Amino acid sequence: SQQGEEDPQALSIQEGENATMNCSYKTSINNLQWYRQNSGRGLVHLILIRSNEREKHSGRLRVTLDTSKKSSSLLITASRAADTASYFCATVTTDSWGKFQFGAGTQVVVTP
Amino acid sequence: EPEVTQTPSHQVTQMGQEVILRCVPISNHLYFYWYRQILGQKVEFLVSFYNNEISEKSEIFDDQFSVERPDGSNFTLKIRSTKLEDSAMYFCASRLGGGAYNEQFFGPGTRLTVL
Repeated sequence: SQQGEEDPQALSIQEGENATMNCSYKTSINNLQWYRQNSGRGLVHLILIRSNEREKHSGRLRVTLDTSKKSSSLLITASRAADTASYFCATVTTDSWGKFQFGAGTQVVVTP
Repeated sequence: EPEVTQTPSHQVTQMGQEVILRCVPISNHLYFYWYRQILGQKVEFLVSFYNNEISEKSEIFDDQFSVERPDGSNFTLKIRSTKLEDSAMYFCASRLGGGAYNEQFFGPGTRLTVL
């Protein structure tokens, strides 16, 4: 299995609803970061959560981290059509030079 | 706000040709990375670079690939003899310091198309 697996693979919701996606990983991490990517575009950093943190908020985003279960979740509240994108978690493992290991991503579609 | 820049935004080349992808990391950053993303797939790590040498590389980063920081500002990825399967988006990233806690900043990517 691969480090940083997101689920679901795809999520379709209406504007105003919340979107929740999960990320699981295999090995010990220093931190976990969530990124957003619009189709064919670059990676936009959303939020970083360190291994000793359990929850972080940034605007409409809420990230949790459970190191005992090796999982993280990203919640987008009150979604907007502009939130339509792919969302990736990326882990930095304790044995690396800070390289990221990305999951396959969750494709979120928010319809007006 | 400082940002990582990459040129060109799109490169089209013939199979077997050499390509050089260029990146300008954030000026005071010390760690540099290249990643690639084949269309529809996840982002894959290629190589990390610190103190003017490769610190880590993946299986993808074979002898056809090389990296260089020629002048203290640019960070380049060279593919010596491109293959069709090298077609992908290539992202450069940099981060500030030694702790693995620091955020990595990504460039906008170079789309490489090998014909």
